Amino acid sequence: KQEVTQIPAALSVPEGENLVLNCSFTDSAIYNLQWFRQDPGKGLTSLLLIQSSQREQTSGRLNASLDKSSGRSTLYIAASQPGDSATYLCAVYTGGFKTIFGAGTRLFVKA
Amino acid sequence: NAGVTQTPKFQVLKTGQSMTLQCAQDMNHNSMYWYRQDPGMGLRLIYYSASEGTTDKGEVPNGYNVSRLNKREFSLRLESAAPSQTSVYFCASSLDRGPAEQFFGPGTRLTVL
Repeated sequence: KQEVTQIPAALSVPEGENLVLNCSFTDSAIYNLQWFRQDPGKGLTSLLLIQSSQREQTSGRLNASLDKSSGRSTLYIAASQPGDSATYLCAVYTGGFKTIFGAGTRLFVKA
Repeated sequence: NAGVTQTPKFQVLKTGQSMTLQCAQDMNHNSMYWYRQDPGMGLRLIYYSASEGTTDKGEVPNGYNVSRLNKREFSLRLESAAPSQTSVYFCASSLDRGPAEQFFGPGTRLTVL
């Protein structure tokens, strides 16, 4: 059974720091991996989608990498800002309608 | 272009009451989903609709029913609410089934007393 884990559950960093959020999954048979941002009381906003054939995707200050063989993905945030404070979730699509979500990492960027 | 909209935003029910959560999307997407999000857990799929006129059970369907009213609208009904159904409910849509990018609504926070 596919399981998705995000560690740490919460992270606090000073403004300007570069940081890495981790996502691990137990079964490498995935079609894609998606990173989302969730603000308090709001829905999920898609940040990056990495297909299984890709190694990384970039959008602005965000870079997501995927290593299927080791069951890991990282989300790199450059020069963090207080506006980046949110919960970040990763999700893997495993086929059919199965998208498995991690519980998320709550990020707080201090000004 | 509102994306995915959900009503209501908040709801408090007593055990045994019923209610329907509404979801609509204006992106001409074929597939729609209902998830629940509980503290410390990832989102879990309740029901999905691959296309207009079809619905299927997801991971946690017990206690829920759905209706795909048309291509735009997908509703979730709790027939007899239980405290275990206290959660945040999200509707999502995607252009097609499978690996397509999913777009989420703002959620409905439901408390069952």
